[in-house]
Amino acid sequence: DGGITQSPKYLFRKEGQNVTLSCEQNLNHDAMYWYRQDPGQGLRLIYYSQIVNDFQKGDIAEGYSVSREKKESFPLTVTSAQKNPTAFYLCASRGLAGGPGTGELFFGEGSRLTVL
Amino acid sequence: AQSVTQLDSQVPVFEEAPVELRCNYSSSVSVYLFWYVQYPNQGLQLLLKYLSGSTLVKGINGFEAEFNKSQTSFHLRKPSVHISDTAEYFCAVRTGTASKLTFGTGTRLQVTL
Repeated sequence: DGGITQSPKYLFRKEGQNVTLSCEQNLNHDAMYWYRQDPGQGLRLIYYSQIVNDFQKGDIAEGYSVSREKKESFPLTVTSAQKNPTAFYLCASRGLAGGPGTGELFFGEGSRLTVL
Repeated sequence: AQSVTQLDSQVPVFEEAPVELRCNYSSSVSVYLFWYVQYPNQGLQLLLKYLSGSTLVKGINGFEAEFNKSQTSFHLRKPSVHISDTAEYFCAVRTGTASKLTFGTGTRLQVTL
C-alpha cells in the first residue's frame, strides 16, 4: 500500500548527539515536509522540499538540517545545536500536480525523540 | 500571512451529544481549509477539506464543516459523538499561492459516557 514510513518510532539520545530521523514515501509526491509537535503548540514547520535537491526553511529551522537526494526520501537531522529537541516529529508529503485538490498533506506515523 | 486560531484547547462532551469545534483563519487571499484528526501517538488523518464550491463540506466519520467567508470561520460539527471520537483535532489553512500548510494549536475532544 502507498504511504509514508517514518523510522524509528521511538528514539532516545544523549544530549549533544546528532540524530537522524528517516522519512520515506511511495506516493510519488513531489513535496515533503517536516513538522514538530509539542503539547499545546500544534504543528510547527521545520523544513520543506518541493523538488529533489532543493529545500526551504520553515518557521523553526534552527538546529535542524535536511537533504533531498531522492524524490522518495527526506531525512531530518536534529543537531546538537537544537536547544530543546525532545518532541514528536511528523513527516508529510503532498502531490503538486493537478491543481487545488493537491493541497492535502499525507502524514507518517511520527517519531518520538527523547533527549536524556 | 496565513494563520489559524482554534479557540478551545479542550472540549468535553457526553456520548451521543452534538459537538462543534471552532476554527477561525486569517488570510487576505483565497484559502483552502482542512480538518485533521490525530489519535494518541499517531500521525494526522484528513477528516475533510474545503477547496471551492459548496460551503458545507462532509467528511469521514460523520463530521461536517461549514466555510463562512464573512466570519472567516471553518467550524467542525458532528450531530452525535461516539467514544471513539476522542482525539485531537487540528484545523489548517493554505492559501492559493503558498506551499505551506499552517496549523492551529489543536482541540482535544474528550467524549465520556
